[in-house]
Amino acid sequence: GENVEQHPSTLSVQEGDSAVIKCTYSDSASNYFPWYKQELGKRPQLIIDIRSNVGEKKDQRIAVTLNKTAKHFSLHITETQPEDSAVYFCAAHTGGFKTIFGAGTRLFVKA
Amino acid sequence: DGGITQSPKYLFRKEGQNVTLSCEQNLNHDAMYWYRQDPGQGLRLIYYSQIVNDFQKGDIAEGYSVSREKKESFPLTVTSAQKNPTAFYLCASSEFRGGDSPLHFGNGTRLTVT
Repeated sequence: GENVEQHPSTLSVQEGDSAVIKCTYSDSASNYFPWYKQELGKRPQLIIDIRSNVGEKKDQRIAVTLNKTAKHFSLHITETQPEDSAVYFCAAHTGGFKTIFGAGTRLFVKA
Repeated sequence: DGGITQSPKYLFRKEGQNVTLSCEQNLNHDAMYWYRQDPGQGLRLIYYSQIVNDFQKGDIAEGYSVSREKKESFPLTVTSAQKNPTAFYLCASSEFRGGDSPLHFGNGTRLTVT
């Protein structure tokens, strides 16, 4: 069936370092890959997204890369700050009009 | 984002009772979704609707039911057939029927069944 795997489940970095979260998807018809950030007790919110016709997208300190052949996509956060601490979810929009989420990565940024 | 309103924020029910969670949006979005969030399992899709009077089962639809009589509203009923209903429930909407656009989430309803 359709699924999205996300690694690592927990990530701890020092302030100023980079953080990388990786995801793989199973449905080759997937065409849209959003990333959401969920702070404690709050709703998930979109931070960046990428479509299947693009290999990389950047927005200030956040970038996403997509390898369609390998069915991999990754989130890169540079110069991490304590306010980046949250749970991050990758997702893939499948050919069946569903958005499937990874299990999430809890990021801790130590000051 | 006040575009999607879920109510109530907390809900307590006794085992064996059906309960309905409300979700209303004023974003004029076509598609609406219900997800369940459990610790360590991410968000799992329960039901989704691309258009009024039509909806499809997600990955964990057993024990749940929905309706989409109005574009703005997509209520979720958790029935007594749902074996483990205690969870955090998130409603979301997206602008286009195809769904390949960002999801906008409500603040969620935390359901506790004892």
